[in-house]
Amino acid sequence: SQTIHQWPATLVQPVGSPLSLECTVEGTSNPNLYWYRQAAGRGLQLLFYSVGIGQISSEVPQNLSASRPQDRQFILSSKKLLLSDSGFYLCAWSEGVYYGYTFGSGTRLTVV
Amino acid sequence: KQEVTQIPAALSVPEGENLVLNCSFTDSAIYNLQWFRQDPGKGLTSLLLIQSSQREQTSGRLNASLDKSSGRSTLYIAASQPGDSATYLCAVRPDNYGQNFVFGPGTRLSVLP
Repeated sequence: SQTIHQWPATLVQPVGSPLSLECTVEGTSNPNLYWYRQAAGRGLQLLFYSVGIGQISSEVPQNLSASRPQDRQFILSSKKLLLSDSGFYLCAWSEGVYYGYTFGSGTRLTVV
Repeated sequence: KQEVTQIPAALSVPEGENLVLNCSFTDSAIYNLQWFRQDPGKGLTSLLLIQSSQREQTSGRLNASLDKSSGRSTLYIAASQPGDSATYLCAVRPDNYGQNFVFGPGTRLSVLP
């Protein structure tokens, strides 16, 4: 069966520090991968998605970036965090347009 | 551009009641619609996925319907329990631009014992 792993679960980082969040999927190949952010009291915002290795699409201009170094690995990064980067970050995967999303357990990021 | 709304924003009901959560979307050109549940501080758990050609899907006490032409979906929860308390989100996948799910803001449900 397919599983999705996301870590760390919580993270407290100072302003200006770098960020690396990792997401991996098991039990499938060539998944579509997604990074979402959920700010307090707000809805889900799509940040990046990837349909294959090295293929990244950005939905929102920001100081975050994403990479897909391996088929089932999706990484969210920042060189210098801002206070506004605080939020709940969720990774998701899908097999294609006729399939739904499966989400990871999320990372709570607090920038101080 | 697809927009998704959910009414009500919050709902509080006594245990045992049957209830309906509503989801509306502006563009009927969709592949499918998915309902999720989110507990506080947790990720989203998929409840039901309805393809555009389907009218409804059922899982246990949950029944989701889809009226694509009118841009509406409902999630029916039978015999609600305190453990059903969570935020429920619906999302639609457009079959045109983007093709990534567009999420509604959610309905926060409280089931009182």
